[in-house]
Amino acid sequence: GDSVTQMEGPVTLSEEAFLTINCTYTATGYPSLFWYVQYPGEGLQLLLKATKADDKGSNKGFEATYRKETTSFHLEKGSVQVSDSAVYFCALSGTGNQFYFGTGTSLTVIP
Amino acid sequence: NAGVTQTPKFQVLKTGQSMTLQCAQDMNHEYMSWYRQDPGMGLRLIHYSVGAGITDQGEVPNGYNVSRSTTEDFPLRLLSAAPSQTSVYFCASSRSDSFYEQYFGPGTRLTVT
Repeated sequence: GDSVTQMEGPVTLSEEAFLTINCTYTATGYPSLFWYVQYPGEGLQLLLKATKADDKGSNKGFEATYRKETTSFHLEKGSVQVSDSAVYFCALSGTGNQFYFGTGTSLTVIP
Repeated sequence: NAGVTQTPKFQVLKTGQSMTLQCAQDMNHEYMSWYRQDPGMGLRLIHYSVGAGITDQGEVPNGYNVSRSTTEDFPLRLLSAAPSQTSVYFCASSRSDSFYEQYFGPGTRLTVT
């Protein structure tokens, strides 16, 4: 069945460091891929999306490219800020009206 | 707009008790869903609905019931609570033409003793 695997956390970075959070997927057909972010005490919010191969999603300085050949959708940001501290979830929507989320990666950015 | 609201925020139940988690949205979204979030397991889909009167099972439906009598409300019922249902529960909604852009409620933290 469909599934998402993302890198284990937690991740701790200094402000202005480069961020990569790895995400790979397994799916039949052609899924859409997403990154959601969860700030402390809140529900998840959509961060960015890509609906077909080679699409690049971007928002708030974060980027991810849908790579069909490597079944990956890694999240990157060139210079993280303290306000980026949150839990990041990779997700896919495949067949039917169902979402599959990864286990989440906790990011802490220290000043 | 209040968005997606959930009540209660926290709840403690004894094993065998029943209760209903409430979820409401004021965005006229057709699609609504319930997830549970457990450490190390991410979010798992319990039940979802594509419109009033239509519900379907997700990945982990056992022990839970749902109904969708109106577009706005999508309550989740625990029939006989078990310790394995201790979790954080999130309700989400989205438009059917962009159902991937889900709006999440703030969550309900449930503990079953």
